Amino acid sequence: EVQLVESGGGLEQPGGSLRLSCAASGFTFSNYEINWVRQAPGEGLEWVAYISSSGSTTDYADSVKGRFTISRDNAKNLVYLQMNSLRAEDTAVYYCARESLKGFEYWGQGTLVTVSS
Amino acid sequence: DIQMTQSPSTLSASVGDRVTVTCRASQSISSWLAWYQQKPGKAPNLLIYKASSLESGVPSRFSGSGSGTEFTLTISSLQPDDFATYYCQQYNRPWTFGQGTKVEIK
Repeated sequence: EVQLVESGGGLEQPGGSLRLSCAASGFTFSNYEINWVRQAPGEGLEWVAYISSSGSTTDYADSVKGRFTISRDNAKNLVYLQMNSLRAEDTAVYYCARESLKGFEYWGQGTLVTVSS
Repeated sequence: DIQMTQSPSTLSASVGDRVTVTCRASQSISSWLAWYQQKPGKAPNLLIYKASSLESGVPSRFSGSGSGTEFTLTISSLQPDDFATYYCQQYNRPWTFGQGTKVEIK
């Protein structure tokens, strides 16, 4: 069974940093691209970051470019999202999602990030 | 970036109704469109991919159509479990989502 489990969310002050993790199981992790998607309270879905299966290619939404870094460890079946210079508008539930030709085929349950003083 | 515009934002309907949600892309995306259902407090769930292909395990009352810039999601006979928010997504990088359509009980 494919599983994605996010962790690392919490309360952080503006300007601070957090690192989210996405632990994958139930499939050959190194074959799949992974994305992070976020959802602010009461709002819609916003794509945040992408990483290729090997980790050699990454891409970011303009809203997080230069502040967030996506990476992966294929030996540990983990994807990370390092979030620096956090802003109030980064407050959201963050989901990791496995990409395929179908779109975002599998999603984790999400982890809540709150940026507030 | 490609902008996705969904309509309506909210839709009030009754059990048994036929429901249609529209999604328009700001430029052609061929058939690279997916539809997701999201319930409160849960992750989105893939319903339709490549505009009209039904994901495994999704009831056949859901269908998708369209290509280019105009797409629709249709629920042929609304069931109690279908009251949720629906999102379209184009999957040419950078991926973008529509703003969502909430289907609520009339």
